[in-house]
Amino acid sequence: NAGVTQTPKFRILKIGQSMTLQCTQDMNHNYMYWYRQDPGMGLKLIYYSVGAGITDKGEVPNGYNVSRSTTEDFPLRLELAAPSQTSVYFCASSYSPLWAADIQYFGAGTRLSVL
Amino acid sequence: DAKTTQPNSMESNEEEPVHLPCNHSTISGTDYIHWYRQLPSQGPEYVIHGLTSNVNNRMASLAIAEDRKSSTLILHRATLRDAAVYYCIAGNQFYFGTGTSLTVIP
Repeated sequence: NAGVTQTPKFRILKIGQSMTLQCTQDMNHNYMYWYRQDPGMGLKLIYYSVGAGITDKGEVPNGYNVSRSTTEDFPLRLELAAPSQTSVYFCASSYSPLWAADIQYFGAGTRLSVL
Repeated sequence: DAKTTQPNSMESNEEEPVHLPCNHSTISGTDYIHWYRQLPSQGPEYVIHGLTSNVNNRMASLAIAEDRKSSTLILHRATLRDAAVYYCIAGNQFYFGTGTSLTVIP
């Protein structure tokens, strides 16, 4: 049972570098989400997608980009890494929209440090 | 979306019941109440959700106040593996506050 898979698990970036955080789910879920979690804080929604080709901003989208070309994959792109983007990033997915009381399944997270 | 208020931390003795409270006074009539938990160094995991009636599953019970302005997550017998941060979420956009950090004392 793979569920939601995130890669890499850890990454150190230099200021100004770019990288893509990968997220794949094998549950045929329509909805996918990216969150960030700063130390001692709750999760904040960055971007979400309601299906292939459709994405929308969440609470903290600045400095990030997403794309959804397939149902399975929802990569998160950091173009110019900044120290403020040091955080743990979680990808999640669900079959139905949140208002339909569906369950979100989370990946194990990517721990990113920008130095 | 309804914002929620939870205590920052709680303690429980092992094998005793735990009642984790949550206030969501601005909840609308169609907002579900969700509970997730996050074990150390892991992603959040679903615990339970409900709308109006009390709900039970293999992990926990959810007691929802009649006016729906508050709810309580009940762990019937806390184990050391239940030590985690518990998040209460209401509404159709997942707003994770800081949650309640539960410590289970052996």
